[in-house]
Amino acid sequence: AQSVTQLDSQVPVFEEAPVELRCNYSSSVSVYLFWYVQYPNQGLQLLLKYLSGSTLVESINGFEAEFNKSQTSFHLRKPSVHISDTAEYFCAVSPKGAGNMLTFGGGTRLMVKP
Amino acid sequence: GAGVSQSPSNKVTEKGKDVELRCDPISGHTALYWYRQSLGQGLEFLIYFQGNSAPDKSGLPSDRFSAERTGGSVSTLTIQRTQQEDSAVYLCASSPGTGLGAYEQYFGPGTRLTVT
Repeated sequence: AQSVTQLDSQVPVFEEAPVELRCNYSSSVSVYLFWYVQYPNQGLQLLLKYLSGSTLVESINGFEAEFNKSQTSFHLRKPSVHISDTAEYFCAVSPKGAGNMLTFGGGTRLMVKP
Repeated sequence: GAGVSQSPSNKVTEKGKDVELRCDPISGHTALYWYRQSLGQGLEFLIYFQGNSAPDKSGLPSDRFSAERTGGSVSTLTIQRTQQEDSAVYLCASSPGTGLGAYEQYFGPGTRLTVT
């Protein structure tokens, strides 16, 4: 079984400041890792994923996440946030080769203030 | 192309009634998932269909919940004798089902179910 912990339920930050959203997971098998974003009144969208290869993955809108196997973490970072980044962010894992269903963390609400 | 669609977008029902929620996956996607998003429980996996294989029902919370997928495409989630704790947003997702692309799930907008 897998579990995902997002340590911060809410993260307020000023525009153009850096941000880190923390994610830790627990699993008895190898997993793939994901970050999904849910903008207000919209559905879940895949932001970025780690499947294999480089442990640092990037999204098209400036977010990046680094897979750290020893710390079982997959923290999401952005060096300079915009108002439009205000959303809820969900970290998720999926067991390799075993059905692909996602186990989600509780979510972190990122609130970017002007 | 068209994304995952779900209907209805909102459903209000009385406690004890049965409800059906529909999901149309992305054309060609062989894998289909149902999740539930609620304030108390967060995002939870419910059921998973892959091609013609038997579905993985391990996430269904009770035997009042069932789902089927006809012709490998459209899926219906049925909740019988609804209870107030069933109030949530029900999300459907689909993925290509094979290869590494199988791990990219595309979500629909959800159906908000309110049980009064």
